[in-house]
Amino acid sequence: DSGVTQTPKHLITATGQRVTLRCSPRSGDLSVYWYQQSLDQGLQFLIQYYNGEERAKGNILERFSAQQFPDLHSELNLSSLELGDSALYFCASSVGVGSYNEQFFGPGTRLTVL
Amino acid sequence: AQTVTQSQPEMSVQEAETVTLSCTYDTSENNYYLFWYKQPPSRQMILVIRQEAYKQQNATENRFSVNFQKAAKSFSLKISDSQLGDTAMYFCALNSGGSNYKLTFGKGTLLTVNP
Repeated sequence: DSGVTQTPKHLITATGQRVTLRCSPRSGDLSVYWYQQSLDQGLQFLIQYYNGEERAKGNILERFSAQQFPDLHSELNLSSLELGDSALYFCASSVGVGSYNEQFFGPGTRLTVL
Repeated sequence: AQTVTQSQPEMSVQEAETVTLSCTYDTSENNYYLFWYKQPPSRQMILVIRQEAYKQQNATENRFSVNFQKAAKSFSLKISDSQLGDTAMYFCALNSGGSNYKLTFGKGTLLTVNP
């Protein structure tokens, strides 16, 4: 158990809908990262937050947004869902923002868009 | 831009034997970190081992060790005394800082340990 929690574990929804994925980092970790794992794209970085502020963006679609709240939990919002958004979404956390910081991964949320 | 390449989509090894997984990478940064993550069928991402680029000594963690060749930009993982529980997808990852501290992953190598 990494100490990072993600809810829900599974999510099944229809095209065009909107969903919210939630992540609670390890106690004491200020940095949260979101990654998407799909069969065709592999593991891709989406976005990073540090202590409530956005630090970096990766291959995140405009239909996707995220935020980190004062209690440091983070939410990833996916809207106007398409079939291709079906994937495993991971949240990871680390103490700081340096490249030396080990990122601890949550169990992931499996999103299925029908 | 940073890239990570794993050229072996699948590998298999007999229990108790040794296997080496390959990884090459590219980055323009001088200081960076390399990682091997394991993803078993449960899908949990588990850190196996970490190497700091400025350290010449290869990292080891019990049965897992790396061969880090900085000039060649190569970072292979050696698993000794393979166990059935080592069956998993293995991902090589690079964190080279710069403007962000994301992990860039390779496509992965599916390792099967046979009894």
